[in-house]
Amino acid sequence: GNSVTQMEGPVTLSEEAFLTINCTYTATGYPSLFWYVQYPGEGLQLLLKATKADDKGSNKGFEATYRKETTSFHLEKGSVQVSDSAVYFCALIPRGTSGSARQLTFGSGTQLTVLP
Amino acid sequence: DADVTQTPRNRITKTGKRIMLECSQTKGHDRMYWYRQDPGLGLRLIYYSFDVKDINKGEISDGYSVSRQAQAKFSLSLESAIPNQTALYFCATSDFGGGALDTQYFGPGTRLTVL
Repeated sequence: GNSVTQMEGPVTLSEEAFLTINCTYTATGYPSLFWYVQYPGEGLQLLLKATKADDKGSNKGFEATYRKETTSFHLEKGSVQVSDSAVYFCALIPRGTSGSARQLTFGSGTQLTVLP
Repeated sequence: DADVTQTPRNRITKTGKRIMLECSQTKGHDRMYWYRQDPGLGLRLIYYSFDVKDINKGEISDGYSVSRQAQAKFSLSLESAIPNQTALYFCATSDFGGGALDTQYFGPGTRLTVL
């Protein structure tokens, strides 16, 4: 079946530090990959996505590159801010499927806290 | 105004009670979803609906039922609540199709506590 594995948190960084949150996946074929972010007290919102190998998704200074050879989609940011404190979820949707099979599979989430 | 709204935002109830959580959306999307979030487990799909007449069970549907009253409304019911249904519940929507249209839009969540 499909699965997503994220690095366990919580992760605590100082402001302006470099961030990496690891994500690897197992899926049939080449899925679409997503990072969602959940700010305190809010629902999830899409941060970035990539739909094919070597694509780089980017948004708000965050980046992730779809690596087919390592089945990974690691999230990175060069300089984090206090406002980036949130829970980050990696997710996938299988490719080449339709109807009920095109459902999001989420990782367990990684809590990030950025200290001033 | 928010595109996806959920009511109530918080609810405390007792074991055995019937509870309904409601979701409304103004995005005009055909597809709607209910998830629950538990610490350390990410989000798990309870039910999903591709249109008013198409409702499907997700990964963890036991103990839950749903109703799609209109394109914009999708309700989740717990017929007889039990303590292990204590969780954060999210509604989400997406447009029909693949690729970029796979993006899901989430409501703010309902925190349910079953005593």
